[in-house]
Amino acid sequence: EAQVTQNPRYLITVTGKKLTVTCSQNMNHEYMSWYRQDPGLGLRQIYYSMNVEVTDKGDVPEGYKVSRKEKRNFPLILESPSPNQTSLYFCASSLAFSGTGGPPLHFGNGTRLTVT
Amino acid sequence: GNSVTQMEGPVTLSEEAFLTINCTYTATGYPSLFWYVQYPGEGLQLLLKATKADDKGSNKGFEATYRKETTSFHLEKGSVQVSDSAVYFCALSDAGRRALTFGSGTRLQVQP
Repeated sequence: EAQVTQNPRYLITVTGKKLTVTCSQNMNHEYMSWYRQDPGLGLRQIYYSMNVEVTDKGDVPEGYKVSRKEKRNFPLILESPSPNQTSLYFCASSLAFSGTGGPPLHFGNGTRLTVT
Repeated sequence: GNSVTQMEGPVTLSEEAFLTINCTYTATGYPSLFWYVQYPGEGLQLLLKATKADDKGSNKGFEATYRKETTSFHLEKGSVQVSDSAVYFCALSDAGRRALTFGSGTRLQVQP
């Protein structure tokens, strides 16, 4: 089954303790992206990757890192989490990104992170 | 920069009622427009899209028309079902930023 898999689904951690949220897709997609969803703000892009070893900042990259060593995986790393990073995180992928409405984004089921 | 504005929810309707969720946008150029739907506990799924002015996107009984003159992309459905209860997001594509710009989402609750 074609899917984007995120782990874990729920995570509670403390300020400053490094964590990684994994994202894997099995559709051979070139484009991958991370979004965070906050009430009243919709989804905002954190980082994206056009292909292996190619990553770039989105709208809210501060406090996050990513890597794209393999096509299928795009982990999100919080080196020193803070309470303002408490949010619902989504990984998404697409065959390619097209501004003209090309292949759709496929989303994972989300990771709810709480930083205390 | 680009932005998307949606009507605030929740929108509560009875089954078989008519649905409209308003969406307006601000963008440079000619973006593509989308509606995504998020069911409880799941990620977003593409519902429909339109890539140029006057295009109508449709899927599962939902429709939206790309209106350039009013910069709008309102979502409509003639007869909602309980299974349509979800959060609906309007979005536009931004090729320069390699991202979708999303509205804040509108929660729809359909009562039997």
